[in-house]
Amino acid sequence: NAGVMQNPRHLVRRRGQEARLRCSPVKGHSHVYWYRQLPEEGLKFMVYLQKENIIDESGMPKERFSAEFPKEGPSILRIQQVVRGDSAAYFCASSPLLRTADNSPLHFGNGTRLTVT
Amino acid sequence: DQQVKQNSPSLSVQEGRISILNCDYTNSMFDYFLWYKKYPAEGPTFLISISSIKDKNEDGRFTVFLNKSAKHLSLHIVPSQPGDSAVYFCAASKMTGNMLTFGGGTRLMVKP
Repeated sequence: NAGVMQNPRHLVRRRGQEARLRCSPVKGHSHVYWYRQLPEEGLKFMVYLQKENIIDESGMPKERFSAEFPKEGPSILRIQQVVRGDSAAYFCASSPLLRTADNSPLHFGNGTRLTVT
Repeated sequence: DQQVKQNSPSLSVQEGRISILNCDYTNSMFDYFLWYKKYPAEGPTFLISISSIKDKNEDGRFTVFLNKSAKHLSLHIVPSQPGDSAVYFCAASKMTGNMLTFGGGTRLMVKP
């Protein structure tokens, strides 16, 4: 009964390289959310995806960041040409569908800590 | 434009006493509120929630109170235990989906 799985747990990249963060949702969940936590701050929403669709990307920086959730396989958050300001913890959450009667909460993975040197 | 605010970055409480964590929100469209607990190097773990049709929800040692007119909610932990030491995040969502808006967190330290 695996929860949300994120890998890698830690990722070090030099400025200008690409970072790929993976998220496997809870089995049967078709909705994935990505959040970013900068040091000493709260979690900020980035993007909400369904299988093969981006539903809401209002929190994603306009450049260098992209996300996908293909029909098969994990959701990927991709950061191109990373800069030091991208250093943060990136969390993924999943849910089975839109609001249910009992308002089931989002379940989060343990995050990927990205360090840009 | 912070729609959810936790004005106390930290709180220190003696074991056995009550911990009260506060949260304010500005968006009147929020209708579902949650508290998450987070340990270092782990993801947030759901603790307790409350719908806007209620003003109180209780689960064991944890109680959440909602004051809609003041746009304020609080989490009470009683009695507090050292294992409760963590960062607590308040979060809110609207009727239209599961997207959560988080506060900045409050670090709770429960001293033995």
